[in-house]
Amino acid sequence: AQSVTQLGSHVSVSEGALVLLRCNYSSSVPPYLFWYVQYPNQGLQLLLKYTSAATLVKGINGFEAEFKKSETSFHLTKPSAHMSDAAEYFCAVKAGGTSYGKLTFGQGTILTVHP
Amino acid sequence: EAQVTQNPRYLITVTGKKLTVTCSQNMNHEYMSWYRQDPGLGLRQIYYSMNVEVTDKGDVPEGYKVSRKEKRNFPLILESPSPNQTSLYFCATHGGGTDTQYFGPGTRLTVL
Repeated sequence: AQSVTQLGSHVSVSEGALVLLRCNYSSSVPPYLFWYVQYPNQGLQLLLKYTSAATLVKGINGFEAEFKKSETSFHLTKPSAHMSDAAEYFCAVKAGGTSYGKLTFGQGTILTVHP
Repeated sequence: EAQVTQNPRYLITVTGKKLTVTCSQNMNHEYMSWYRQDPGLGLRQIYYSMNVEVTDKGDVPEGYKVSRKEKRNFPLILESPSPNQTSLYFCATHGGGTDTQYFGPGTRLTVL
C-alpha cells in the first residue's frame, strides 16, 4: 500500500521568497516519487521525479526536491518564487519495481505568489 | 509531438444518460489510466490498462467502465451517470517502469 500526504492545502509566498511545499509518503516498497504542477484550466505537467538515483532531484522552472528516506519526505523547493509559479502542485508516489504505473496522489497544494 | 487527447473537454449531462469520454495517445504506450480530480482529494485512479484487452480497477471504479480494443484508445464509459460523478477527469499514459506519465488536458463533467 502507498499513500501521500501534502502538508498545507494552501501556501502563500512573496515574489522572490523561498518556496517550500511539503510531501510525506508511505510505501511498503522503495518508492518512485513525482511532483506535478497544474496551471489553471490545464492538465498536469511533470516537474521532477525521483527513481532511486540521486536523492537531490532538479526539475524544470528552477524547482528541486530532496528524497529523505529516514524522514519519508520529498519536499519541493525553489529559492526564489516568481509570479508564474502560482499553480496547484501535486506530489505522487508509485511503487518502485512495478511497471503498470499506478500513481497515488496527495491532495494538492495551491501556491499563491504575491507581488 | 507526444500527445494525449480527450473529448469532449466539457460536458453537461443529466442523471442516467449514458456517456463516453474518449482518450487517445500517439506515443505507442502500453499503459493507460483514468483519474478523477476532486477538490481536496487530489487525483484518484479509476481504471488502468496494461495493454490491449487488459484492464483492471483502480481506487474508485464504481459507476465506470472502460475498454481497450486498440493500443492508442482507452475510452471511459459512464453507463448511468449520477451527480456524484461530477468531476474533472484525466486520461494518462506512460511507457512503463520509471517512465513519466503524460496527462491529457482533462474533461470537466457535470451531471445534473
